[in-house]
Amino acid sequence: AQSVAQPEDQVNVAEGNPLTVKCTYSVSGNPYLFWYVQYPNRGLQFLLKYITGDNLVKGSYGFEAEFNKSQTSFHLKKPSALVSDSALYFCAVRVTDSWGKLQFGAGTQVVVTP
Amino acid sequence: DGGITQSPKYLFRKEGQNVTLSCEQNLNHDAMYWYRQDPGQGLRLIYYSQIVNDFQKGDIAEGYSVSREKKESFPLTVTSAQKNPTAFYLCASSPPNGGELFFGEGSRLTVL
Repeated sequence: AQSVAQPEDQVNVAEGNPLTVKCTYSVSGNPYLFWYVQYPNRGLQFLLKYITGDNLVKGSYGFEAEFNKSQTSFHLKKPSALVSDSALYFCAVRVTDSWGKLQFGAGTQVVVTP
Repeated sequence: DGGITQSPKYLFRKEGQNVTLSCEQNLNHDAMYWYRQDPGQGLRLIYYSQIVNDFQKGDIAEGYSVSREKKESFPLTVTSAQKNPTAFYLCASSPPNGGELFFGEGSRLTVL
């Protein structure tokens, strides 16, 4: 069975400091991995995805993620956090038995303080 | 602009009543999905549909029903059999290559 874990319920960071949101996965075969962001009472916005190729994936709003097969991780990173990055972040993995269907982690709340 | 439209944004329901949430997309996507979001639990899949006139149960389908009569539309009915329907409901669609999901803005259902 496919699954994804986000070990931190909340991450606190000062504006201007690096931001990292952790994600680990368990999947049969090659993983398709995704990051989404959600602002209060809004839908999810796509940030980036890893399908194949370079382990470092660049996405929207200055975010990037590093795929590490040996550690089964896909951590989201941003070199310099902004207050506007405060939101709920979800990692997701594609379920291999049905194209498109995603399994989501529980989410990590990011709080960036001025 | 292309996108997914969910309505209503907020909905209140009395216990014992059925309610239908609308989801319309103009992205020409074949696949559509309904997820339920509860605090601290992430998103859980209710139903999904890969083509018109076909749909499958997700992880938490009990107490819900759907239809897929048109490619653009995938309405979700929350029935009186759903024991704890208060939640934030998200509709999504994806293109044929199985890439990322595109989400609507969500519908918040509160049972009084």
